[in-house]
Amino acid sequence: KAGVTQTPRYLIKTRGQQVTLSCSPISGHRSVSWYQQTPGQGLQFLFEYFSETQRNKGNFPGRFSGRQFSNSRSEMNVSTLELGDSALYLCASSSTGTGWDEQYFGPGTRLTVT
Amino acid sequence: DQQVKQNSPSLSVQEGRISILNCDYTNSMFDYFLWYKKYPAEGPTFLISISSIKDKNEDGRFTVFLNKSAKHLSLHIVPSQPGDSAVYFCAAKLTGSARQLTFGSGTQLTVLP
Repeated sequence: KAGVTQTPRYLIKTRGQQVTLSCSPISGHRSVSWYQQTPGQGLQFLFEYFSETQRNKGNFPGRFSGRQFSNSRSEMNVSTLELGDSALYLCASSSTGTGWDEQYFGPGTRLTVT
Repeated sequence: DQQVKQNSPSLSVQEGRISILNCDYTNSMFDYFLWYKKYPAEGPTFLISISSIKDKNEDGRFTVFLNKSAKHLSLHIVPSQPGDSAVYFCAAKLTGSARQLTFGSGTQLTVLP
């Protein structure tokens, strides 16, 4: 079974630009969560989508948005990029919509804002 | 306000000895705790978890201990192997929040041969 894939793996953008990152979950998984990892901060939860609906949202400004398609693939968008948005963005997929089940992480997209 | 803290950014241990990684939390509403391991250029992989109603969970060389009164959990790896060298994150789930995990900042474990 193929794992979680994220594209692109690396990205360099300029302040003020916008960026879209993509995540394809494991086949059959319907929940996709996004996390931001910065040095010394661990992973911080951005949002979670299930069946094309955002179910949870972390404490990030409105510049961070996402969506999920009917095939469960998800995209996240960051508008008006700031230097502090430089981070590793990870997505994780899980199979069920209720209760707890293991989250499988992708390798991440490394975003550098200059 | 960091609700999950890993106060040791790094830890070095000799091969064959015990590795103990620590994690403290502040929110009493966490009901599930997990440990993830992360190698460079890879996403975190799930290692072991524990429910808040238990105080210990074992899986092979890995044991997680939970002390609710102290709001402290630890991961023991015995015996440590060079392949265990990675960044270890502890994470916690809030009651009623199925997918939102709160992570610590990670501890780099280096197992010396």
